[in-house]
Amino acid sequence: EAQVTQNPRYLITVTGKKLTVTCSQNMNHEYMSWYRQDPGLGLRQIYYSMNVEVTDKGDVPEGYKVSRKEKRNFPLILESPSPNQTSLYFCASSGGAFSGANVLTFGAGSRLTVL
Amino acid sequence: GQNIDQPTEMTATEGAIVQINCTYQTSGFNGLFWYQQHAGEAPTFLSYNVLDGLEEKGRFSSFLSRSKGYSYLLLKELQMKDSASYLCAAMDSNYQLIWGAGTKLIIKP
Repeated sequence: EAQVTQNPRYLITVTGKKLTVTCSQNMNHEYMSWYRQDPGLGLRQIYYSMNVEVTDKGDVPEGYKVSRKEKRNFPLILESPSPNQTSLYFCASSGGAFSGANVLTFGAGSRLTVL
Repeated sequence: GQNIDQPTEMTATEGAIVQINCTYQTSGFNGLFWYQQHAGEAPTFLSYNVLDGLEEKGRFSSFLSRSKGYSYLLLKELQMKDSASYLCAAMDSNYQLIWGAGTKLIIKP
């Protein structure tokens, strides 16, 4: 089944404790992206990657890191999490330039709470 | 700046028709997407418009007017399972998606 898999789905952590949210897709997609979703704000892009070893900042990159060493994986790293990073995170991928044929496929989401 | 506006919440009755509006302001325009998101779940793709006019897909239709910076999603024969948030996203000249905050649609029996 074609899918985007992210883990963990739920995580409660404490301020300053480094964590990684993994994202993997099995569709051979070139484009991958991380979003956070907060009530009333909609989806905000954190980082995206057009291909292996190519990453770019989105709208809200502060406090996050990413890497794209392999096509299928795009982990999100929070080096020193803070309470304002408590959010619902989505990883998404696409086969190329967005169109009616190339749309974003989202993972199930990772709900992160930072105490 | 770039901006997407859509109503925060709408209520409709099972079996009825509802129209969810979206207005956008972007630097350039390369199409408009609608996604459906059930509570606690991932967004899923509904429709894409890049040319003016109406695109129909079963009970769902999407309309675009590029000159007015306006789109709507029309849902017919509403079912309880249509209770969800509907996200509007416009693609700018750099092929980046600008997302609206979503419209929560509540369906009542």
